[in-house]
Amino acid sequence: AQRVTQPEKLLSVFKGAPVELKCNYSYSGSPELFWYVQYSRQRLQLLLRHISRESIKGFTADLNKGETSFHLKKPFAQEEDSAMYYCALSRIQGAQKLVFGQGTRLTINP
Amino acid sequence: DTGVSQNPRHKITKRGQNVTFRCDPISEHNRLYWYRQTLGQGPEFLTYFQNEAQLEKSRLLSDRFSAERPKGSFSTLEIQRTEQGDSAMYLCASHSRKESNPYGYTFGSGTRLTVV
Repeated sequence: AQRVTQPEKLLSVFKGAPVELKCNYSYSGSPELFWYVQYSRQRLQLLLRHISRESIKGFTADLNKGETSFHLKKPFAQEEDSAMYYCALSRIQGAQKLVFGQGTRLTINP
Repeated sequence: DTGVSQNPRHKITKRGQNVTFRCDPISEHNRLYWYRQTLGQGPEFLTYFQNEAQLEKSRLLSDRFSAERPKGSFSTLEIQRTEQGDSAMYLCASHSRKESNPYGYTFGSGTRLTVV
């Protein structure tokens, strides 16, 4: 079965501190992994995807197939990073429907 | 055409009534998805269209739910005989399968349904 687990519903860190949002997945095959973000009163939007290997807004995520993890990291948190973050996966081919985790609400304290 | 548009933004209905939501995707996107999100959960897949063809439906989509995408443009999601458990945010997303598209899905703002 396809499943995405985000173990932390809430995460609070101070500005300037490192951030790590955890994501583990179960999938038979090679999925595509994503992080989506939803800022207050805005729509859900793509933050990054593992195949692009980009750093967006200072965030990076490395796919660890051995641990089936795709943790999101940022070395120095900023107040504007406060948002809801969702990890998601899809098949690389075919319908590409997304399976989401339950989300982590990140709060950056000043 | 700057994004995915959903209407209405909010809908309050009495139990047992029928409701219909509309989604207008990005015009060049041939794939359209419906998701449902309840409080404290991530979005859950409901159904998917490629052009006008409905290619996949989730088990979450009971017989009371029907979706259409005539002419491969906008899509509608209808819920008949609504129940309180249908209260949720209904999200629409569109996507292009072109390999040059690095941006993944584009989501709409959603329609929040409250069944009283």
